[in-house]
Amino acid sequence: SQQGEEDPQALSIQEGENATMNCSYKTSINNLQWYRQNSGRGLVHLILIRSNEREKHSGRLRVTLDTSKKSSSLLITASRAADTASYFCATAPYSGAGSYQLTFGKGTKLSVIP
Amino acid sequence: NAGVTQTPKFRVLKTGQSMTLLCAQDMNHEYMYWYRQDPGMGLRLIHYSVGEGTTAKGEVPDGYNVSRLKKQNFLLGLESAAPSQTSVYFCASSYPVNLLALREQYFGPGTRLTVT
Repeated sequence: SQQGEEDPQALSIQEGENATMNCSYKTSINNLQWYRQNSGRGLVHLILIRSNEREKHSGRLRVTLDTSKKSSSLLITASRAADTASYFCATAPYSGAGSYQLTFGKGTKLSVIP
Repeated sequence: NAGVTQTPKFRVLKTGQSMTLLCAQDMNHEYMYWYRQDPGMGLRLIHYSVGEGTTAKGEVPDGYNVSRLKKQNFLLGLESAAPSQTSVYFCASSYPVNLLALREQYFGPGTRLTVT
């Protein structure tokens, strides 16, 4: 079953613009993680935000988390052609419940046009 | 460090054949996972392991078996391949939970499997 659902499914922007992707989820989480996947490659971890955090930055990435709305957003500022990839959110439950599974959404496909 | 490696990179099987996918990691991670990725479906967990000698079922385990005889290796087996198992398979590994929190996963490059 899908826990995280990204929105939009696809996004096309010009180089230099900002890109915003959203993720919604259904059940309580311990943390939420964002991953990037370049075409034909494995996923690469970008950033992890805990349930008691509201915002986190890493370079040109900014992630927000609103647990009351069960949603998160990933902002990429000043995008580059090299940012072209699919971006996935993944939710992590409290593992004390015996669950060791991240649940991934279906991803947002970002195209940055030079 | 090679990170997470997968063997083979590509494979074509006929229906009913068997094969084993090998995942190896050199980061001394406790946890290892097998996922499949299909168009429009995202990643779905097949099986996972939280330590040497242990395995558990994920979301879509039917038709697959796994073994974790060594900490650094996690094998995924298909005993009798079916066309529905055509997919891209990813292995991942991670450190164990910290304060009850799952940590980030490190992924291999994937194995593209076609069953005809």
